[in-house]
Amino acid sequence: AQTVTQSQPEMSVQEAETVTLSCTYDTSESDYYLFWYKQPPSRQMILVIRQEAYKQQNATENRFSVNFQKAAKSFSLKISDSQLGDAAMYFCAYNTDKLIFGTGTRLQVFP
Amino acid sequence: GAVVSQHPSWVICKSGTSVKIECRSLDFQATTMFWYRQFPKQSLMLMATSNEGSKATYEQGVEKDKFLINHASLTLSTLTVTSAHPEDSSFYICSADRTQTGAGSGNTIYFGEGSWLTVV
Repeated sequence: AQTVTQSQPEMSVQEAETVTLSCTYDTSESDYYLFWYKQPPSRQMILVIRQEAYKQQNATENRFSVNFQKAAKSFSLKISDSQLGDAAMYFCAYNTDKLIFGTGTRLQVFP
Repeated sequence: GAVVSQHPSWVICKSGTSVKIECRSLDFQATTMFWYRQFPKQSLMLMATSNEGSKATYEQGVEKDKFLINHASLTLSTLTVTSAHPEDSSFYICSADRTQTGAGSGNTIYFGEGSWLTVV
């Protein structure tokens, strides 16, 4: 069965600094998708970034980028120039026919 | 961008009654929708996969007779919590799978706003 592990329950970063959230997963599939979702206090799930497993190039979306290491089954999220609005729960997720979430990392951003 | 609407946002029901939550994809057709449950300070737990025109696929440990899922059209899935009990109180959230073709193809999953259920 596929599993997703986020080993950091909480992380903190100072405004304008960079922070990296870790995620590892376990699968026997070769073709899949990986996602990072942000969940603010409103509970709305917001897609941050998506990575296709067949693509070697790491996905980037403005201040958000990933370090995808397929052989190591690692998918970390880097947030550059952190902003107060980045504070939220962040979930790593793995998808083939269904989306499986990690346990989440709570990110705090200090001014 | 794609929008998924969930209704109601909040619902309070009496113990023993049933309550229905709707999940609609507003600007795309979704052959597959998913229902999740989220306890406070925890992750999203997949309850079931809803397939248009066929029976839902439930995850292990989820009571299919208690959590009835119907996916009658390509834009609507419903979750009915039957004979609700206080322990069913939770945040329920749906998502819809949008498969795109062409440049940047692949699937993207969009989430509804979620529904808070309180059983008293």
